[in-house]
Amino acid sequence: GAGVSQSPSNKVTEKGKDVELRCDPISGHTALYWYRQSLGQGLEFLIYFQGNSAPDKSGLPSDRFSAERTGGSVSTLTIQRTQQEDSAVYLCASSLRTGLRETQYFGPGTRLLVL
Amino acid sequence: AQKITQTQPGMFVQEKEAVTLDCTYDTSDQSYGLFWYKQPSSGEMIFLIYQGSYDEQNATEGRYSLNFQKARKSANLVISASQLGDSAMYFCAMREPFNTGGFKTIFGAGTRLFVKA
Repeated sequence: GAGVSQSPSNKVTEKGKDVELRCDPISGHTALYWYRQSLGQGLEFLIYFQGNSAPDKSGLPSDRFSAERTGGSVSTLTIQRTQQEDSAVYLCASSLRTGLRETQYFGPGTRLLVL
Repeated sequence: AQKITQTQPGMFVQEKEAVTLDCTYDTSDQSYGLFWYKQPSSGEMIFLIYQGSYDEQNATEGRYSLNFQKARKSANLVISASQLGDSAMYFCAMREPFNTGGFKTIFGAGTRLFVKA
């Protein structure tokens, strides 16, 4: 399909390990967003890319979190030394252009469980 | 400070009746956008409706309408003729500019809607 895809769909890891989450946006979409959704909660904004650059990284919860985007396409969210409180669904969204009136298309999410 | 407030954690509505989901927001920007998303139990986020801060008319999309009251900073979602498939989590969101350029979207905590047959 032509939607946003994320991998893996589920990830179980041990506390202290590093994890990489991948997002493939819709082809041609220049803007890409990462969100975190804890169980039963709303979405927490993490970071936003316009092309390959992220104008503001203040939404990342700690310095264990980092994200990059290459070629204006695929993005990777990396969590180092995972903690149990990192357990959540990590959602990626993309949009064709930035602006106030912008529809974000969401991927199915990666469910991360840190034991 | 809470930017988006959804005061109804859960709502029940009878099938075929209308329901209003509340949302209030807080911003000092003059230019902003308001959104509603639906999240079924499957987890995907589905865009429903958008209202711009300068739009003079309330947005409508099929059975969805947004009751925008700018002075009160409220953007309630009205679903008419509820259907069983409307049972889901509903999120209100606001889009506003970053200080450093670009835009970010802030989501409320959500309202879980249950449609009864």
